Amino acid sequence: EPEVTQTPSHQVTQMGQEVILRCVPISNHLYFYWYRQILGQKVEFLVSFYNNEISEKSEIFDDQFSVERPDGSNFTLKIRSTKLEDSAMYFCAGSVLADTQYFGPGTRLTVL
Amino acid sequence: LAKTTQPISMDSYEGQEVNITCSHNNIATNDYITWYQQFPSQGPRFIIQGYKTKVTNEVASLFIPADRKSSTLSLPRVSLSDTAVYYCLVGPIKAAGNKLTFGGGTRVLVKP
Repeated sequence: EPEVTQTPSHQVTQMGQEVILRCVPISNHLYFYWYRQILGQKVEFLVSFYNNEISEKSEIFDDQFSVERPDGSNFTLKIRSTKLEDSAMYFCAGSVLADTQYFGPGTRLTVL
Repeated sequence: LAKTTQPISMDSYEGQEVNITCSHNNIATNDYITWYQQFPSQGPRFIIQGYKTKVTNEVASLFIPADRKSSTLSLPRVSLSDTAVYYCLVGPIKAAGNKLTFGGGTRVLVKP
């Protein structure tokens, strides 16, 4: 069964540094999403992406965040200048239509 | 977006049936009910989705009464590996991406 993959599984960075989190969605998926989950808290929506553009974003997804699907397979989330409060699990998800979403295993981001 | 209320936690024993009820009193006509499961340090995993009456798959059953103001996820004969957080989500399926809004979920602990 095809799966969503994410790399790296754990990223440690210094405050103010840029990070890029990578995701390889399932090949027939058309809609892509990023979510995050701060330790002990709820899963929060960040952004959805369809047809090479953002379709919706949350208040969390400010100018420090960007997403890209550079080569038709990878889907990336960039945080330009990380803050301590960006420490969280980041989950990529995809769906064929706008319904069932399949999540990746997540990247644990630790900002020091 | 319909607000959902579900128990914070439930304990069960191996081999028992676990029923988790979710209240969604202000569910809209075009809203669907979806359940996700999340193991520690993993992404949420789709379990089941329904609109009305009963839906069953290889993992669970979903019971939705006629007024749709609540729903019950039923996990038959649970095992230790079913220990997870279970989320009830209610919302429409839109054409351009479907932001999932997670609540606190129900933490199910299966004991030997």
